[in-house]
Amino acid sequence: KAGVTQTPRYLIKTRGQQVTLSCSPISGHRSVSWYQQTPGQGLQFLFEYFSETQRNKGNFPGRFSGRQFSNSRSEMNVSTLELGDSALYLCASSPLAAGANVLTFGAGSRLTVL
Amino acid sequence: TQLLEQSPQFLSIQEGENLTVYCNSSSVFSSLQWYRQEPGEGPVLLVTVVTGGEVKKLKRLTFQFGDARKDSSLHITAAQPGDTGLYLCAGRPYNAGNMLTFGGGTRLMVKP
Repeated sequence: KAGVTQTPRYLIKTRGQQVTLSCSPISGHRSVSWYQQTPGQGLQFLFEYFSETQRNKGNFPGRFSGRQFSNSRSEMNVSTLELGDSALYLCASSPLAAGANVLTFGAGSRLTVL
Repeated sequence: TQLLEQSPQFLSIQEGENLTVYCNSSSVFSSLQWYRQEPGEGPVLLVTVVTGGEVKKLKRLTFQFGDARKDSSLHITAAQPGDTGLYLCAGRPYNAGNMLTFGGGTRLMVKP
């Protein structure tokens, strides 16, 4: 069974640009969560979607947004990129939106902002 | 904001040694998970502990959830080079869906 697929794996942008990252969850999983991983801050929760609805949102500015489609695929968008947005963006899928859930992470999209 | 303090940040040991990684918080979690992350990959779930005082064993790895559900530990017996990686603890707050709070991670290197 295919795992969580994130595209693109690597990308380079310049300050002020915007970026869209994509996540295809495991088939049948309806919950998709996004995390930002940096050397200084570690893994920080961005947001979670379940059945096309945002269930939770982390403490990130409004430049960070996301959505989920009817097939559970999710995208996140970062507008007006800043140098500090350079990070590994991880997507995780799970069957449920609560409980002692098993999250399966993708390999991540590594964004470098110049 | 709930925080998880993970220690040590870095650990370099020889093959065959034992080690313990700690995860502490002032907050209570409904469950706590441990992940391992290899370079270029996402974190992979090792274990979930749910009940206060729970102990789970996975081969040479022993995981414990504190009685008060605020802390956890990971003990590795007779570490091997294949155990090298980044170990992350993650707490699940109550009523927070999949919004996990991650510790800062412990980067473990086991030298042959």
